[in-house]
Amino acid sequence: SQQGEEDPQALSIQEGENATMNCSYKTSINNLQWYRQNSGRGLVHLILIRSNEREKHSGRLRVTLDTSKKSSSLLITASRAADTASYFCATDGSSNTGKLIFGQGTTLQVKP
Amino acid sequence: DGGITQSPKYLFRKEGQNVTLSCEQNLNHDAMYWYRQDPGQGLRLIYYSQIVNDFQKGDIAEGYSVSREKKESFPLTVTSAQKNPTAFYLCASSIGAWAGTDASPLHFGNGTRLTVT
Repeated sequence: SQQGEEDPQALSIQEGENATMNCSYKTSINNLQWYRQNSGRGLVHLILIRSNEREKHSGRLRVTLDTSKKSSSLLITASRAADTASYFCATDGSSNTGKLIFGQGTTLQVKP
Repeated sequence: DGGITQSPKYLFRKEGQNVTLSCEQNLNHDAMYWYRQDPGQGLRLIYYSQIVNDFQKGDIAEGYSVSREKKESFPLTVTSAQKNPTAFYLCASSIGAWAGTDASPLHFGNGTRLTVT
């Protein structure tokens, strides 16, 4: 079953611009995580936000979480060509099984 | 350096053959996971193991089997019963047994791309 759904599916911007990706989910959660995947590689963990947090920062990344709307956003500021990748949100879906459920991802292209 | 090693990177098999994908971690993590990724899609959970000698089915376990005889190893066998085995397979681990609930991030290997013809 699909828990997280990212929007947009694809995003193309110029270097230096900000990129915003959104994630919606269906059930209550304990936390929400964002991952990045470069083409043909494994995923890399970027940031985690707990259900009792509203905003979190890490370098050029800013994540917000709105549990009332069951949605999260990932903002990458001052994007670079090296940020070109797919970005996925993942939630536990409050199943308490330890499983993480991933969305289908947003593919970001940053043009130099 | 600690990490997760998946081998081989590319694997080709004929239809009807079983094939085993290797996953080894030296992070001393308790939990390990196998995900499948199809082109342009997200990750779907095949199997996961929270402790040695124990594992649970994920969302798409049919046609797959696993073992967890050692903490550092979690091989995945794609059997001939799997109807559409061609995919990118990702192995992951987390320090805690409850990646979602206790907020343990997943650490991923670089995947094995399996092609079955």
